[in-house]
Amino acid sequence: EAQVTQNPRYLITVTGKKLTVTCSQNMNHEYMSWYRQDPGLGLRQIYYSMNVEVTDKGDVPEGYKVSRKEKRNFPLILESPSPNQTSLYLCASSVLYNSPLHFGNGTRLTVT
Amino acid sequence: QQPVQSPQAVILREGEDAVINCSSSKALYSVHWYRQKHGEAPVFLMILLKGGEQKGHEKISASFNEKKQQSSLYLTASQLSYSGTYFCGTEYSGGGADGLTFGKGTHLIIQP
Repeated sequence: EAQVTQNPRYLITVTGKKLTVTCSQNMNHEYMSWYRQDPGLGLRQIYYSMNVEVTDKGDVPEGYKVSRKEKRNFPLILESPSPNQTSLYLCASSVLYNSPLHFGNGTRLTVT
Repeated sequence: QQPVQSPQAVILREGEDAVINCSSSKALYSVHWYRQKHGEAPVFLMILLKGGEQKGHEKISASFNEKKQQSSLYLTASQLSYSGTYFCGTEYSGGGADGLTFGKGTHLIIQP
């Protein structure tokens, strides 16, 4: 089944403790992207990747890192999480940057 | 800059029609529409390319008005299953290959 898989689904952590949210797609898509979703703000892009080893900042990249060492994986790294990073994180992939996006089921992160 | 969606929320009875608008202050190349049900990932509905094209998907259709830089999503004879949050994602003319910029969403509640 074609899908985007995120792990974990839920994560509660404390300020400053490094964490990684994984994202994997099995559709051989070139383009992958991370969004955060907050009430009243919609979906805001954090980082995106056009292909392996090619990543770039989105609209809200501060406090986040990404890597794209393999085509299928695009992990999101929070080196020192803070409470304002409490959010729902959505990973998405598509054939090209302007093709329909396939979203993962999301990771709900709480930073205390 | 995020596109502006209106209305923010709408409550309808089953069988009624709804229109959701997505407006941009920048020239648009394409508009994508997604629906997100509570607790689930957004799901792609349709894409409109500049040229005033109208598309349909059963009782859900959309148009793209290039003059107004606006897209409208039409839900006809709404069903309970149409409830959810609708997002438009915009790609700007002359923009980089960074993907879509999403609006804040429109919450649609269909009551029996």
